[in-house]
Amino acid sequence: AQSVTQLDSHVSVSEGTPVLLRCNYSSSYSPSLFWYVQHPNKGLQLLLKYTSAATLVKGINGFEAEFKKSETSFHLTKPSAHMSDAAEYFCVVSDRWTNAGKSTFGDGTTLTVKP
Amino acid sequence: DADVTQTPRNRITKTGKRIMLECSQTKGHDRMYWYRQDPGLGLRLIYYSFDVKDINKGEISDGYSVSRQAQAKFSLSLESAIPNQTALYFCATSEDRLHYGYTFGSGTRLTVV
Repeated sequence: AQSVTQLDSHVSVSEGTPVLLRCNYSSSYSPSLFWYVQHPNKGLQLLLKYTSAATLVKGINGFEAEFKKSETSFHLTKPSAHMSDAAEYFCVVSDRWTNAGKSTFGDGTTLTVKP
Repeated sequence: DADVTQTPRNRITKTGKRIMLECSQTKGHDRMYWYRQDPGLGLRLIYYSFDVKDINKGEISDGYSVSRQAQAKFSLSLESAIPNQTALYFCATSEDRLHYGYTFGSGTRLTVV
């Protein structure tokens, strides 16, 4: 079984300040973990992924996430928020070997960036 | 052209009508998926297909059916639409090894009145 919990449904930051979007997961086996971003009226775009290589994963647009097995977390960070980062973000977990290709999505975190 | 194309982009239909949402892809991926998005609920899997002859139900398949016409085409049908099927629907594809992630279409916004 697998599940994912995004700890904040809404996060608001000022432009130029750091971003932290929190995600905890549970997985019976070795997980693959992903962050996707969805801008208004758009589809989901892959930001970054963890697939058992380096635990610190760098993605597009300056985002990165760290896989912490002991804490079952995969938080998304960015050092300095930009207005264009305002969007909804989804954390996703897959059991790499047993879940037959199905993923579990978190409920999403809406990021607001204030000027 | 987009890698994953969904048609229509928006649709309003009446309760009881049959409606089909279409998805085509140029990624060359074998695996295709239909997801439904509702506000505050993330994405939920309706159906998925690993190849033309392999179609599987997801967590919320009741009231839906699918057809995999070719490797590149995967359509979703609502046999008799009801208002609580009003949602944003996404088609996605993936390579055989899921840890590469999904490629999503732009979505179809369906309203059932």
